[in-house]
Amino acid sequence: GAGVSQSPSNKVTEKGKDVELRCDPISGHTALYWYRQSLGQGLEFLIYFQGNSAPDKSGLPSDRFSAERTGGSVSTLTIQRTQQEDSAVYLCASSLGVRDEQFFGPGTRLTVL
Amino acid sequence: AQSVTQLDSQVPVFEEAPVELRCNYSSSVSVYLFWYVQYPNQGLQLLLKYLSGSTLVKGINGFEAEFNKSQTSFHLRKPSVHISDTAEYFCAVSRYNFNKFYFGSGTKLNVKP
Repeated sequence: GAGVSQSPSNKVTEKGKDVELRCDPISGHTALYWYRQSLGQGLEFLIYFQGNSAPDKSGLPSDRFSAERTGGSVSTLTIQRTQQEDSAVYLCASSLGVRDEQFFGPGTRLTVL
Repeated sequence: AQSVTQLDSQVPVFEEAPVELRCNYSSSVSVYLFWYVQYPNQGLQLLLKYLSGSTLVKGINGFEAEFNKSQTSFHLRKPSVHISDTAEYFCAVSRYNFNKFYFGSGTKLNVKP
């Protein structure tokens, strides 16, 4: 079956522009996670969706970051007015339930010039 | 807030030698513990996890880890490594309700022939 997919795989943008990153989780997975992996650093947890519950947004690094999950499936991470420090690989993961293994997507490499 | 420390950023080891990758966490509440592996040019995948029960957890590819609550550690071990184990390994901690995950900065295991 299909795994977690993310698009685009690479995104180059200019400082100040808005970007949208998309995540398609595995069908039937109720939990969805967004992470950021900066060069030479570990994964930084951003946000988590579980079913139809309101997400905990406290992990988002600034109010320029927002995320939504429509219909309990596809999720979009939006970064407004991008800055150079936003350059990183953005990873999405999904799991069947909260106690289950997270399956990671290939990531979106964002470069802000 | 929790934090996860992986003191060794790189671990070189010869094939068939034993290896231990160290992970320490800081938390005053119950947590769950995970090890993930990222092979070159591949996505993250779960190696093993500790949720409850036996403190010695066995994972895929012959890896195991031991949860030590008094030392707040979750070190990963393998008695005999292979070239194919060359990868980056991440330790992670989540709260009891799984609404946030904290990852270490990763340890690159380089297995030499």
